[in-house]
Amino acid sequence: DIQMTQSPSSLSASVGDRVTITCRASQGISNNLAWFQQKPGKAPKSLIYAASSLQSGVPSKFSGSASGTDFTLTISSLQPEDFATYYCQQYNRYPLTFGGGTKVEIK
Amino acid sequence: EVQLVESGGGLVQPGGSLRLSCAASGFTFSDHYMDWVRQAPGKGLEWVGRTRNKANSYTTEYAASVKGRFTISRDESKNSLYLQMNSLKTEDTAVYYCAKVRGGSGWYEDWGQGTLVTVSS
Repeated sequence: DIQMTQSPSSLSASVGDRVTITCRASQGISNNLAWFQQKPGKAPKSLIYAASSLQSGVPSKFSGSASGTDFTLTISSLQPEDFATYYCQQYNRYPLTFGGGTKVEIK
Repeated sequence: EVQLVESGGGLVQPGGSLRLSCAASGFTFSDHYMDWVRQAPGKGLEWVGRTRNKANSYTTEYAASVKGRFTISRDESKNSLYLQMNSLKTEDTAVYYCAKVRGGSGWYEDWGQGTLVTVSS
């Protein structure tokens, strides 16, 4: 199975901060990587697919990038509604696997 | 507007069975792969399995943790996705989400709100 190692597992940030979350795949997954946002008690929301393509309706403050087996989600200017847990997922090979999540908290 | 509405969750004893449903609307159901994803209380997301679209003969894939116990099916006439869960274990306790895949691309466009399954004696 492909392991997705997400870091950090949690972070504290202030409104207006630039935040970066990283996901590393244990083997090559091309750019078959997605990012999700989940708020407490809610279903996940799809943010990014194909490593860097924004889902329809997702604000441009979210961006994704890839370098080999390393993938990054960046939030350019953190807003109160962005405090949540973020997950990456590879969909290159079965079984599909998720990262362990990054909880973004208010500093 | 795409809607995915799960139902069928509840309390079941270890070794028991349960069938979850996901009612889909707002899109051409037969065109899309559909997945089940679960989340144990306080834990991360875990992929459960997939059914491909009509063009790919509705074939299925499963996580090793559920293979042989869970079965994914779909009824195109009802625009519904199902998860038949047998031989349930306490570690199957989770919120179960259905997710709509963009065509056969692999990535999720939409998620349902989830249904809670509790396996306990």
